[in-house]
Amino acid sequence: GEEVAQTPKHLVRGEGQKAKLYCAPIKGHSYVFWYQQVLKNEFKFLISFQNENVFDETGMPKERFSAKCLPNSPCSLEIQATKLEDSAVYFCASTRAGTGYGYTFGSGTRLTVV
Amino acid sequence: SQQGEEDPQALSIQEGENATMNCSYKTSINNLQWYRQNSGRGLVHLILIRSNEREKHSGRLRVTLDTSKKSSSLLITASRAADTASYFCVTGDYKLSFGAGTTVTVRA
Repeated sequence: GEEVAQTPKHLVRGEGQKAKLYCAPIKGHSYVFWYQQVLKNEFKFLISFQNENVFDETGMPKERFSAKCLPNSPCSLEIQATKLEDSAVYFCASTRAGTGYGYTFGSGTRLTVV
Repeated sequence: SQQGEEDPQALSIQEGENATMNCSYKTSINNLQWYRQNSGRGLVHLILIRSNEREKHSGRLRVTLDTSKKSSSLLITASRAADTASYFCVTGDYKLSFGAGTTVTVRA
């Protein structure tokens, strides 16, 4: 079946190191989103894309976080100089254009900063 | 991106019983969605209800929406052990806001 593929599943980085996460959205889905789940039941919106264009980046800590969705490549979320508080599960989701469609989430990348 | 409250925070029921959870939200909406998250896994879309709908069914799931009270409920009938998960109500079109979630444990 169709799925949003996130890699890697787990990532461990020393404080100050770079982390890069990848997401392959479902083909035909125009929108891609990144969410951060720090505590078990808290989701923080980071950024969304409409195709390869940034749609909404109001949740991004811009000084260290960046993201891209380039044609024919997986989307990526990069954290420069990771901090302990970046430890979280990062979820990618995609959806079709238009309202009224559910989102398909990937299984997440668990980032641990030590 | 926390939109509102979910009630109860946790629910423990026997297999075969029904589970009901409620969600309140703050802003006007076009639709409301419910998602399930099994421990350590991603979110699975369960059902979407539009603002002009009052009730929707999908298999053992029943969702209601009361836009005048800004609230929704999710009923799982004849629960199974596999229903053990956290359930989230979610609002927003292109920037989702999540409720705090209800953790449901179904005892065999």
